[in-house]
Amino acid sequence: GENVEQHPSTLSVQEGDSAVIKCTYSDSASNYFPWYKQELGKGPQLIIDIRSNVGEKKDQRIAVTLNKTAKHFSLHITETQPEDSAVYFCAASSAWGGSYIPTFGRGTSLIVHP
Amino acid sequence: DAGVIQSPRHEVTEMGQEVTLRCKPISGHDYLFWYRQTMMRGLELLIYFNNNVPIDDSGMPEDRFSAKMPNASFSTLKIQPSEPRDSAVYFCASSLQKSSGNTIYFGEGSWLTVV
Repeated sequence: GENVEQHPSTLSVQEGDSAVIKCTYSDSASNYFPWYKQELGKGPQLIIDIRSNVGEKKDQRIAVTLNKTAKHFSLHITETQPEDSAVYFCAASSAWGGSYIPTFGRGTSLIVHP
Repeated sequence: DAGVIQSPRHEVTEMGQEVTLRCKPISGHDYLFWYRQTMMRGLELLIYFNNNVPIDDSGMPEDRFSAKMPNASFSTLKIQPSEPRDSAVYFCASSLQKSSGNTIYFGEGSWLTVV
């Protein structure tokens, strides 16, 4: 089955700095890579995703990059703000049997200091 | 859109008692997932259903855990008997499967403490 490794487990930055979270996956058949943000006391929520036919995707201050050859993908947050503080999860999935069932990384706790 | 609704939000119970967690998925979604989150293990997939049918329960830790989905708008996760190591946040989630990938919508979680 798929195995997703996520680093770092904790990331502390100053407000305004950039933050980068990296993930690797093992299954070359994986072709859908979502990122979820979990705020304190809430469930994870999708913030951005990327498919294997695209190398990069941006949405305002958030960008994801994908390197299928190396089997790794990253989340980049620019101009971080205190409200970006949360746990971020990467995930990888493929259309196995017609279903996209994601395998999640262990999560990265991002702390943005004002 | 009410989102995925879980109950109870918080439960404290004594070891050996039965615990039932409830979930109402988003209307029209065809997949339902139960996850458990702990500091040690992160986010674990326990079981998922497709069109009310359990597809993969390989993540269910023991026979003490069981899940049902009697209809498209309701699911339960039951722990009987409960043990302190079951203390965790349990998330229900649902999605609508698409050929291009799917967004999984999580509920706010049920925080379970077994003492």
